[in-house]
Amino acid sequence: AQSVSQHNHHVILSEAASLELGCNYSYGGTVNLFWYVQYPGQHLQLLLKYFSGDPLVKGIKGFEAEFIKSKFSFNLRKPSVQWSDTAEYFCAVNGRDSSYKLIFGSGTRLLVRP
Amino acid sequence: NAGVMQNPRHLVRRRGQEARLRCSPMKGHSHVYWYRQLPEEGLKFMVYLQKENIIDESGMPKERFSAEFPKEGPSILRIQQVVRGDSAAYFCASSPPSGRVSGANVLTFGAGSRLTVL
Repeated sequence: AQSVSQHNHHVILSEAASLELGCNYSYGGTVNLFWYVQYPGQHLQLLLKYFSGDPLVKGIKGFEAEFIKSKFSFNLRKPSVQWSDTAEYFCAVNGRDSSYKLIFGSGTRLLVRP
Repeated sequence: NAGVMQNPRHLVRRRGQEARLRCSPMKGHSHVYWYRQLPEEGLKFMVYLQKENIIDESGMPKERFSAEFPKEGPSILRIQQVVRGDSAAYFCASSPPSGRVSGANVLTFGAGSRLTVL
C-alpha cells in the first residue's frame, strides 16, 4: 500500500538547535517527493521538492532534504532553527507518472521556543 | 497575485445540517483539487475538477459529498447531513492546465477550511 510515515508528531526545540524531521515512504516505482509547511493561520506552501538529479535538495528558508533511495527516506533538515519556523510540516509523495494524487504523511508540529 | 483562496476558514455545523466550502483557484489556474485531513492523519485526495467537469472523484465518500466547479465562480465542496466524522480540515489546491504534477507544475494549496460538527 502507498503510504508516508512521519515519525515525529510533535517536536519542541530551542532557537539555534538543529532540526531533522523524518519521512519514510512506501510506494511502488519511481517517486517525486515534497515537503510542505503550514505556518499558523496561513496556506500550505511548498518548502522543497525532489524530482530527479542531486538527492540533496535545498529549499526556501535554509531548509534542505536528502533523498536516500535505499532507505525510502526524505528527511528534512535545518542546521539552526528560528522561532519563525514554528509550523506544521508535511511530507508527501507521488509517482513519477506525476499524478495529482499526492500521498501525505500525518504531519509534524514544530514548536521553536525563543 | 492572490493565491488559492478558501472560505470560510472555520465552519461549525450541527449534525444533519449542510456544509458548503468554497475555493477560488490561483489566477490562471483552471484545475482544482480537494483534499481532506482527518484528525491525526495526512491529507487525502478527494476530487479533481476542471471547469464544469469532474475529472476524478475516486477519493470522495459515496454519499452526502459532492463537488462542483462552475463556469463562473468558485469551486464548491458540499457536504449534506453532516456527521461528527466529517469534522476535518478541507484543503483546496489548484494547478495550471495540465493535470500533471511535474517539476514546473506543483499543486498550490490554500489555507484550508476547518469544519467542526457538533
